[in-house]
Amino acid sequence: AQKITQTQPGMFVQEKEAVTLDCTYDTSDPSYGLFWYKQPSSGEMIFLIYQGSYDQQNATEGRYSLNFQKARKSANLVISASQLGDSAMYFCAMRGGNQGGKLIFGQGTELSVKP
Amino acid sequence: DARVTQTPRHKVTEMGQEVTMRCQPILGHNTVFWYRQTMMQGLELLAYFRNRAPLDDSGMPKDRFSAEMPDATLATLKIQPSEPRDSAVYFCASGLDIPPYEQYFGPGTRLTVT
Repeated sequence: AQKITQTQPGMFVQEKEAVTLDCTYDTSDPSYGLFWYKQPSSGEMIFLIYQGSYDQQNATEGRYSLNFQKARKSANLVISASQLGDSAMYFCAMRGGNQGGKLIFGQGTELSVKP
Repeated sequence: DARVTQTPRHKVTEMGQEVTMRCQPILGHNTVFWYRQTMMQGLELLAYFRNRAPLDDSGMPKDRFSAEMPDATLATLKIQPSEPRDSAVYFCASGLDIPPYEQYFGPGTRLTVT
């Protein structure tokens, strides 16, 4: 069975500092994709970044990067130079190779950025 | 810019009533998903369509929930009869069935069943 685990219910970071949000996954599929979404207090789900299981390099999108360690089955999100607007819930999700487009989500990490 | 739209944004209804939620996927997207978000269960997939055909509705209580795509621009999720435990935020998402398979979410429908 596929599973996503986010062990940090809440995190604090000082504005302008970097922060790492942890995500570990479990799957027996050789091909899979890992996603991070941001959910601000307004409730919308915003796609941030994607990493494919066969991608050789870690994904980056602006201030977001994904630290993909395949052997450890981890896909941590790194946010550099945190901004007050980064305060939100962050969800890690996985799509299995034989699951079609279906995403399985972790429980989320609530990030608070302090001025 | 293109967005997934959902109506209504908020719905309060009494137990036993029928609830219909609507979603307009992004034009050109061929996959549509319905998710439910609660504090206790987090985000759960209810149903999934590809090219309007239902592919997976294993997460949906079959006795009271139904999901359809009458055409490529409309997806519906219906609850009949509704129960208090159905209170949640229901998200529709759409995407393309090609890598990287990212899904774009609508703003959600907040349902309260009293």
